[in-house]
Amino acid sequence: QSVLTQPPSVSGAPGQRVTISCTGSSSNIGAAYDVHWYQQLPGTAPKLLIYGNSNRPSGVPDRFSGSKSGTSASLAITGLQAEDEADYYCQSYDSSLSGFWVFGGGTKLTVL
Amino acid sequence: EVQLVETGGGLIQPGGSLRLSCAASGFTVSSNYMSWVRQAPGKGLEWVSIIYSGGSTYYADSVKGRFTISRDNSKNTLYLQMNSLRAEDTAVYYCARGRQGGYFDLWGRGTLVTVSS
Repeated sequence: QSVLTQPPSVSGAPGQRVTISCTGSSSNIGAAYDVHWYQQLPGTAPKLLIYGNSNRPSGVPDRFSGSKSGTSASLAITGLQAEDEADYYCQSYDSSLSGFWVFGGGTKLTVL
Repeated sequence: EVQLVETGGGLIQPGGSLRLSCAASGFTVSSNYMSWVRQAPGKGLEWVSIIYSGGSTYYADSVKGRFTISRDNSKNTLYLQMNSLRAEDTAVYYCARGRQGGYFDLWGRGTLVTVSS
């Protein structure tokens, strides 16, 4: 069981908007630690997609956006494209005894 | 070019030891905090260990006491010494550069470690 909870899968048609949720607790997201998002294309290493809840690294299209509220965060993808089909992971910091850096279980995005 | 290249993975028997290396180029390992993250086959990402620029190290409970993270500043290389390996340590191991905000902005391609008899 991951410390951060994500839906196992989401799907959408090209051009649509999808969101991926990431639910934590008072020892991580709710403790004001930032949430970050990674995209992992099939057979490749993870790539930083969103950092500091809502910031995009250089080169990441503005179709990707992040937000955070309370003990949860969300990744939104608008104008869905075939190349967006990938696994997406949220990540934060956890201050509990067995914490440190924690990831969500990952969400598989399928573009229909 | 800024990049990380992991080596050292392979097939190892349970109880054995293995040392992973992560060679960095385009930046200085010792000036950053560096981490190892693993991914078991078909599973999600799991943080393993981190070393800060000041030398402090931290480990996930699952590897504490068995794994040791270190770096060689002269070689600009990060290491992960893995002892008493178990089947559940089977995974692709990635090294990653950490940033002050608590995220990992640069990842290597990973090296596969398979623990099996």
